[in-house]
Amino acid sequence: ETGVTQSPTHLIKTRGQQVTLRCSSQSGHNTVSWYQQALGQGPQFIFQYYREEENGRGNFPPRFSGLQFPNYSSELNVNALELDDSALYLCASRTGQGPTGELFFGEGSRLTVL
Amino acid sequence: AQRVTQPEKLLSVFKGAPVELKCNYSYSGSPELFWYVQYSRQRLQLLLRHISRESIKGFTADLNKGETSFHLKKPFAQEEDSAMYYCALKGLNTGFQKLVFGTGTRLLVSP
Repeated sequence: ETGVTQSPTHLIKTRGQQVTLRCSSQSGHNTVSWYQQALGQGPQFIFQYYREEENGRGNFPPRFSGLQFPNYSSELNVNALELDDSALYLCASRTGQGPTGELFFGEGSRLTVL
Repeated sequence: AQRVTQPEKLLSVFKGAPVELKCNYSYSGSPELFWYVQYSRQRLQLLLRHISRESIKGFTADLNKGETSFHLKKPFAQEEDSAMYYCALKGLNTGFQKLVFGTGTRLLVSP
């Protein structure tokens, strides 16, 4: 059983650019969520996808968008990057029938915006 | 509004000493509370949930609705308990799995 994998692990962008982060869910998991973790903070919920539809969103602007594909892999897209977008972005997956609150996290993609 | 507060950034204890990691929450309804842990060079993972009322790796946590707290406790700390601990809350009426995390407490257990 493979765990949640994310790519790239690190990347550097400049303000105003766009970025795409990728996530492969753990085998058998059909629900994926994305979290932003700024330095010294806990993870903050961005949104969740279930069966290719966004079904929950946190307090993030529309320039944060996502996709989930039929194989349950997912992308997080951020447009018009700002300096404050610098953070670790975590992907987490679970089954639709799994125990509530049990998320399986990837190791994250660390984004630096200059 | 949902909020989780972990007042200690760092908790340093000696091996064999009792440990209590504090967590307070703010939520108008009935929450579900969790503790997540991140060991060095590992990914964030679930340690325990209040609904299960179980002991994991010697850790327990009791939900106190009167004090809106969910403190994590262990009677005798081990060096391998050194890690970052996050308390998290999920609203029961939330259809999706949005977790609200605290800022975390780093536990350092010295020999």
